[in-house]
Amino acid sequence: NAGVTQTPKFQVLKTGQSMTLQCAQDMNHNSMYWYRQDPGMGLRLIYYSASEGTTDKGEVPNGYNVSRLNKREFSLRLESAAPSQTSVYFCASSVEENQPQHFGDGTRLSIL
Amino acid sequence: GESVGLHLPTLSVQEGDNSIINCAYSNSASDYFIWYKQESGKGPQFIIDIRSNMDKRQGQRVTVLLNKTVKHLSLQIAATQPGDSAVYFCAENVNYGGSQGNLIFGKGTKLSVKP
Repeated sequence: NAGVTQTPKFQVLKTGQSMTLQCAQDMNHNSMYWYRQDPGMGLRLIYYSASEGTTDKGEVPNGYNVSRLNKREFSLRLESAAPSQTSVYFCASSVEENQPQHFGDGTRLSIL
Repeated sequence: GESVGLHLPTLSVQEGDNSIINCAYSNSASDYFIWYKQESGKGPQFIIDIRSNMDKRQGQRVTVLLNKTVKHLSLQIAATQPGDSAVYFCAENVNYGGSQGNLIFGKGTKLSVKP
């Protein structure tokens, strides 16, 4: 059972480079989410997609864009990476909103 | 600032003892709460959830208590095992832009189990 799969697992970028983080779920979930986790912090919501065809901003959307490619896939894009975006990025999905979210194992992103 | 926080950043318990991890929340309109376990290098793993119309919910070796009067949430782990060592996060459901499914996470409590 794959669950939520994130690629890549690790990435190093230079300031100003662009990057797309990929996320796919095989649980037929309607809702998908992107979070970032900084050292000693809980997760903070960047963007979410309540259902296929919709996306909305979360708590910390600046510097990011998302695409809900289809029901399975939800990508996160950094157009011009900044050192402040160094973090671990987690994708999650849930059957519907207000239901338990299931997480991938994260992408560890360093921006120099 | 975050509306969900934890009283204790670290907790050390003896194997076999019960563990209690506490969480305070500030949004009285929150109606759904979840506890997650996160092991090193992994994503958060769902443990148990509770909705605001309940005070208590039990799972396998875990119990979540919700006190809406004082806006307090706790996770009790019975007969703590070494495999329970991890960081535990509580999360509350809040609304963003009219949607209703978005979680605010606390900073986490690290649970260490001594053999």
